[in-house]
Amino acid sequence: GAVVSQHPSRVICKSGTSVKIECRSLDFQATTMFWYRQFPKKSLMLMATSNEGSKATYEQGVEKDKFLINHASLTLSTLTVTSAHPEDSSFYICSASEDRAGNQPQHFGDGTRLSIL
Amino acid sequence: AQKITQTQPGMFVQEKEAVTLDCTYDTSDPSYGLFWYKQPSSGEMIFLIYQGSYDQQNATEGRYSLNFQKARKSANLVISASQLGDSAMYFCAMRDPLNTDKLIFGTGTRLQVFP
Repeated sequence: GAVVSQHPSRVICKSGTSVKIECRSLDFQATTMFWYRQFPKKSLMLMATSNEGSKATYEQGVEKDKFLINHASLTLSTLTVTSAHPEDSSFYICSASEDRAGNQPQHFGDGTRLSIL
Repeated sequence: AQKITQTQPGMFVQEKEAVTLDCTYDTSDPSYGLFWYKQPSSGEMIFLIYQGSYDQQNATEGRYSLNFQKARKSANLVISASQLGDSAMYFCAMRDPLNTDKLIFGTGTRLQVFP
């Protein structure tokens, strides 16, 4: 089955640090990947749609300059949290789908727990 | 607007019993897809089952089945013979008809299976 790998799984860093999270589709090509944020005991909130070779599409209320997304190849998207602050602490998870017709599920990475001190 | 509603914040079930997790949706588009995901405490999202709006039969995958009632716009997940490892958060999601790449998630139901 389709596998999505996300790295790192956990990050603890000081306020002001920029943190890069990678999302890779291991056995399929993904022209589109998705980045979600999840607060404790809450549902997934879509942050942005990462498009290979073009700019990401951000959801309303998500700061583009804070959350930089790069989708440089068909198997890799990165999310960089720039100058992270404690309020950016959260669980970030990416997903990708093999099929744009809508019948196949999105496959998720294992997520990244980000803690900003 | 498209919307997914899960009205049960938490559910308890005894091991080996069946449990139904509710999900209702709202869309005016005739073509849509519905998904259920399981999220254990470790955080990963595990795909469980899919139902297409034009599928004639209810989807089944092992111990998971989907009770799809199109007229009522409900897509309840039924877990048979519950196991302790089924304890997790369960999310219902719908493929956004306006953008088939996007998923719209419900608020989730926390299932706890006790011995």
